[in-house]
Amino acid sequence: DSGVTQTPKHLITATGQRVTLRCSPRSGDLSVYWYQQSLDQGLQFLIQYYNGEERAKGNILERFSAQQFPDLHSELNLSSLELGDSALYFCASSPDGTLSTEAFFGQGTRLTVV
Amino acid sequence: QKEVEQDPGPLSVPEGAIVSLNCTYSNSAFQYFMWYRQYSRKGPELLMYTYSSGNKEDGRFTAQVDKSSKYISLFIRDSQPSDSATYLCAMSSGGADGLTFGKGTHLIIQP
Repeated sequence: DSGVTQTPKHLITATGQRVTLRCSPRSGDLSVYWYQQSLDQGLQFLIQYYNGEERAKGNILERFSAQQFPDLHSELNLSSLELGDSALYFCASSPDGTLSTEAFFGQGTRLTVV
Repeated sequence: QKEVEQDPGPLSVPEGAIVSLNCTYSNSAFQYFMWYRQYSRKGPELLMYTYSSGNKEDGRFTAQVDKSSKYISLFIRDSQPSDSATYLCAMSSGGADGLTFGKGTHLIIQP
């Protein structure tokens, strides 16, 4: 158990809908990262938050947004969902904002868009 | 050319064999190198973390980084059926760009 908690584990929703994925980082970790994993693209970095502020952006679509709250948990919001958004979404955390350090991953949320 | 190339496998070896997993990369700015293990339907689990070139050993696992060749390896000694998983290499320049992952190698250890 990495100590990173993600909810829900599974989500099935229709195209055009909006969903929110939640992540609680390991105790003491200030950074949260969101990744998307699909069969064809592999693990793709979406966005990072450090102590409540956005620190870095990767291949995140404009339909997606995220935030990190004062208690350090984070939410990833996906809107106007398309079939191609079906994927595993992982949250990872690390102690500081240095992206070069190792990151610890949660168990992921499997999103299916139908 | 993708930034990180990794043979997807599957790689099937008998129990007890030495396994060699590799990644090549093109971005010379990468300085931090990691190997993750991912079981089916689970999150990636950090196995090894190496900075710059050199070797690092942890139990049955050895990570090697050759920055001059832009080539990293993970060796697993005395492989066990429980090592069957997908192994992902990941790397970073240390800048604000997240980790760049290979697509993973599916490893099967036959009992």
